[in-house]
Amino acid sequence: GENVEQHPSTLSVQEGDSAVIKCTYSDSASNYFPWYKQELGKRPQLIIDIRSNVGEKKDQRIAVTLNKTAKHFSLHITETQPEDSAVYFCASRRGGSQGNLIFGKGTKLSVKP
Amino acid sequence: GAVVSQHPSWVICKSGTSVKIECRSLDFQATTMFWYRQFPKQSLMLMATSNEGSKATYEQGVEKDKFLINHASLTLSTLTVTSAHPEDSSFYICSARARDSKETQYFGPGTRLLVL
Repeated sequence: GENVEQHPSTLSVQEGDSAVIKCTYSDSASNYFPWYKQELGKRPQLIIDIRSNVGEKKDQRIAVTLNKTAKHFSLHITETQPEDSAVYFCASRRGGSQGNLIFGKGTKLSVKP
Repeated sequence: GAVVSQHPSWVICKSGTSVKIECRSLDFQATTMFWYRQFPKQSLMLMATSNEGSKATYEQGVEKDKFLINHASLTLSTLTVTSAHPEDSSFYICSARARDSKETQYFGPGTRLLVL
């Protein structure tokens, strides 16, 4: 079935450095790729998303890139801050406009001051 | 942005009892709601998808008779864990997709269930 692979599972960076999280998907029909941030015990919050007709999207310190040919997409966080520490989940929407989201296993990001 | 609420936020119950969790979209109409289960330090596992006015679609391996889902209105879906057992203890999170948005899902704050 469809699945989303996410790497790394944990990532530790120094404050001010950049962080990159990568995901690959298997369903070539996937056309929507959101990223969620989840702090401990709280709900996942949508931080950025990208659609398959776009190769890159940026929102302040956060950017997402998509390579449809290779079926992978990445989250880039620049100038990291301690409050960026959380678990980040990538997801892809399977099978068309009404499909469900399939989530990666998450990346625990720790930003050390 | 869109707000989704869940009630209760946490519940402790005895083995064998049933627990109902409510998921509400507060400022938008949700044609589709999703129920996820999340174990500690793990990802979100989709349990079922419910569309307003129709039966829920369950993911493989999820018992429909154990996890009853009702989506009676465009702003409310409920998940009932019937005859709960300790292995049902988990974090249950709902999400909702707006009528006018085919993509963005907004998550509720989750319900932590502990079955003794």
